[in-house]
Amino acid sequence: RKEVEQDPGPFNVPEGATVAFNCTYSNSASQSFFWYRQDCRKEPKLLMSVYSSGNEDGRFTAQLNRASQYISLLIRDSKLSDSATYLCVVNTAYGGSQGNLIFGKGTKLSVKP
Amino acid sequence: NAGVTQTPKFQVLKTGQSMTLQCAQDMNHNSMYWYRQDPGMGLRLIYYSASEGTTDKGEVPNGYNVSRLNKREFSLRLESAAPSQTSVYFCASGINYGYTFGSGTRLTVV
Repeated sequence: RKEVEQDPGPFNVPEGATVAFNCTYSNSASQSFFWYRQDCRKEPKLLMSVYSSGNEDGRFTAQLNRASQYISLLIRDSKLSDSATYLCVVNTAYGGSQGNLIFGKGTKLSVKP
Repeated sequence: NAGVTQTPKFQVLKTGQSMTLQCAQDMNHNSMYWYRQDPGMGLRLIYYSASEGTTDKGEVPNGYNVSRLNKREFSLRLESAAPSQTSVYFCASGINYGYTFGSGTRLTVV
């Protein structure tokens, strides 16, 4: 089983739609969770961290389910500018220990006019 | 504030040639990383450096060497390039709450 698994998509949605991405991870010791965004031919950029209590940043909501080892990202009122690949990322680091980020292969989103 | 700077942005090598990819960060991070990204494979860790003076292998280290020259700089060297090393290479720095990536080096080995 791969460490971080995502549906590659593509998800093709109209502007204004709500879209949700899911991700599962295999290492139950994983402690930190993130969503990154990567535009075509660009570097990945941190979109948001994911906390056990769930967190929201504007139109974006991230959820974590540790029991099911499952992370989600919800995008409301999609914009054309949301078109990108979204990478699910986990880290087994705890406290001050060194860990490395493990990246999923990404889910491609295309928002159409 | 430049963040993470990588050079060169593009490079074409012939099989067997060598080259060094340069990376520098100005965020005072202890940890730095080199990834490669291939279609359908996602980002894979080549080497990382948890602090100045230390380096460790990642998932795909074969064919590469690294040097952590000082806290700011972490270079990746291909001693004898192979077509299988055609990829996009990203340098990153940061700790467990998130990384900042450089803009990448597109390398083609012919």
